[in-house]
Amino acid sequence: QVQLVESGGGVVQPGRSLRLSCAASGFSFSNYGMHWVRQAPGKGLEWVAVIWYDGSKKSYADSVKGRFTISRDISKNTLYLQMNSLKAEDTALYYCARVYCSGGGCFTPGYWGQGTLVTVSS
Amino acid sequence: QSVLTQPPSVSAAPGQKVTISCSGSSSNIGNNYVSWYQQLPGTAPKLLIFENNKRPSGIPDRFSGSKSGTSVTLGITGLQTGDEADYYCGTWDASLGAGVFGGGTKLTVL
Repeated sequence: QVQLVESGGGVVQPGRSLRLSCAASGFSFSNYGMHWVRQAPGKGLEWVAVIWYDGSKKSYADSVKGRFTISRDISKNTLYLQMNSLKAEDTALYYCARVYCSGGGCFTPGYWGQGTLVTVSS
Repeated sequence: QSVLTQPPSVSAAPGQKVTISCSGSSSNIGNNYVSWYQQLPGTAPKLLIFENNKRPSGIPDRFSGSKSGTSVTLGITGLQTGDEADYYCGTWDASLGAGVFGGGTKLTVL
């Protein structure tokens, strides 16, 4: 079964960097696109970024564009989110999610990890 | 302010039916598939509906989705206390070139 385990969260000062990881298992990682979605404490879901199955295309939310980079390592079955120039408003639980595939295509986040908490505070 | 608009809360009695609306525009709902997610307290979101009205395996047919123009609706029949959760709609926005979610709707089963 699809399993996604996020790690790398923690407390970081504003302006610093952090890299999140998402270890994938139970499916052929190289065949599926992946998303990052975050949720600030007590708030709703916010889409962050997506990477195509082959890494050929990446898209970002305006709120993180230019500061965050999504990437994947097929050899390690791992998804990453490099977060630079962190701000207090980046404080959130960060989920990775695998796309759900159907006749209509493969895009919507379908399988979710449990999340890793990032707190940006001085 | 979310790109997709959902009511903050809805409520109904056990056994009854409830609907949750999600409205957007031609750049998102109007021209893209919409998904619905259920987030039980303290857990990760779970895919309930994809491609506007389809259910992944394991999702009971008490949950349904529909779309009309730039709005979608999630319906839940035979409400159970275990359905108390936050529900989110989500889709792609072609103008933004980004994924978007609604602000979420808290369902209370009285």
